[in-house]
Amino acid sequence: RKEVEQDPGPFNVPEGATVAFNCTYSNSASQSFFWYRQDCRKEPKLLMSVYSSGNEDGRFTAQLNRASQYISLLIRDSKLSDSATYLCVVNMANSGGYQKVTFGTGTKLQVIP
Amino acid sequence: NAGVMQNPRHLVRRRGQEARLRCSPMKGHSHVYWYRQLPEEGLKFMVYLQKENIIDESGMPKERFSAEFPKEGPSILRIQQVVRGDSAAYFCASSPPRGRGNTEAFFGQGTRLTVV
Repeated sequence: RKEVEQDPGPFNVPEGATVAFNCTYSNSASQSFFWYRQDCRKEPKLLMSVYSSGNEDGRFTAQLNRASQYISLLIRDSKLSDSATYLCVVNMANSGGYQKVTFGTGTKLQVIP
Repeated sequence: NAGVMQNPRHLVRRRGQEARLRCSPMKGHSHVYWYRQLPEEGLKFMVYLQKENIIDESGMPKERFSAEFPKEGPSILRIQQVVRGDSAAYFCASSPPRGRGNTEAFFGQGTRLTVV
């Protein structure tokens, strides 16, 4: 089983739609969680951290379910500019006690006019 | 505070040559990660380093690839005897030591390697 798993998509949605991505992780001892965004041929950039209580930033809502070991990202009122690949990121401790940043392979979103 | 700096941004090598990619982490960051991204594919983890120490190299090909992060200077990803299949974008990310504030990773702009 992959350490961090995402549906690669693509998700093709019309402008104004609501879209949700899920991501599962295998290590129950994982400590912190993030969503990153990667535009075509650019480096990934932090979109938002994910907290146990859930957090919202404008049209974006992130949630964490530790019991089921998944995190989610909800985008409301999709804009054309939201088209990108969304990467789920988990910090997990490895056997040596180091915290390793582990990326999912990303979910591609295409917002259509 | 400069971000993660990678150089060169673009690198062209002939088959059989060596490629050296450099990454200077953000100030205060002691952990470096290297990823490879082939066209139209996701990020693939290669190696995770701390100063003078390789923590996890499970994603590194067994031959021709090596990485280091010396006490002084940038982290180096070295590819010997490059082949066309090595053509990709190579991203470096850095994060702070464990326990020091947020542990999210910040990326450099990548080095695009083309093997001709």
